[in-house]
Amino acid sequence: GEDVEQSLFLSVREGDSSVINCTYTDSSSTYLYWYKQEPGAGLQLLTYIFSNMDMKQDQRLTVLLNKKDKHLSLRIADTQTGDSAIYFCAEIFSGGYNKLIFGAGTRLAVHP
Amino acid sequence: DAMVIQNPRYQVTQFGKPVTLSCSQTLNHNVMYWYQQKSSQAPKLLFHYYDKDFNNEADTPDNFQSRRPNTSFCFLDIRSPGLGDAAMYLCATSRVGGSYNEQFFGPGTRLTVL
Repeated sequence: GEDVEQSLFLSVREGDSSVINCTYTDSSSTYLYWYKQEPGAGLQLLTYIFSNMDMKQDQRLTVLLNKKDKHLSLRIADTQTGDSAIYFCAEIFSGGYNKLIFGAGTRLAVHP
Repeated sequence: DAMVIQNPRYQVTQFGKPVTLSCSQTLNHNVMYWYQQKSSQAPKLLFHYYDKDFNNEADTPDNFQSRRPNTSFCFLDIRSPGLGDAAMYLCATSRVGGSYNEQFFGPGTRLTVL
């Protein structure tokens, strides 16, 4: 079935790295995404990874994909207070028009 | 700037009183989506339009309807809102066949049902 799971909460100190983990179910998903949602706002695409890649780096963001275990992670280097938000992992559902299946979101809290 | 706009940002309605939420886009994307997001939960797809072709998710209640009069606009109608329909409603667009199938989200409309 369709299910994306994430841990619900992560607290880190400013300047440290954050790692947010996600597991997904649809092995035929072509893309996997990380979206960021700030309070009272919509979802903003942070980064994505194509399913034939193992890793993607984009400035402070590193995405790792383990297709065998259906595990996706997002690492944020040098985490800042502005990174405090909810981070959603999402997979494309292969049976529909770009239908996204989201996890419940990980709330990242950055403290001094 | 090209974008997805939702109006209003906050909507208060009474139990059972019909309400319409609005979404417009300047991206000229062929697909528009409506998601419902309840507090601390994942956004859940209600339905989407691929051009004029309407696609309802199997578990979307009949209480929720949608209209897309043209490429730019899409409306979400809640015929008889219940207390359980209080949520953030997110509109999104994408271009099928576009790069990495990105969906662009509006800021959302937060619906309160009294």
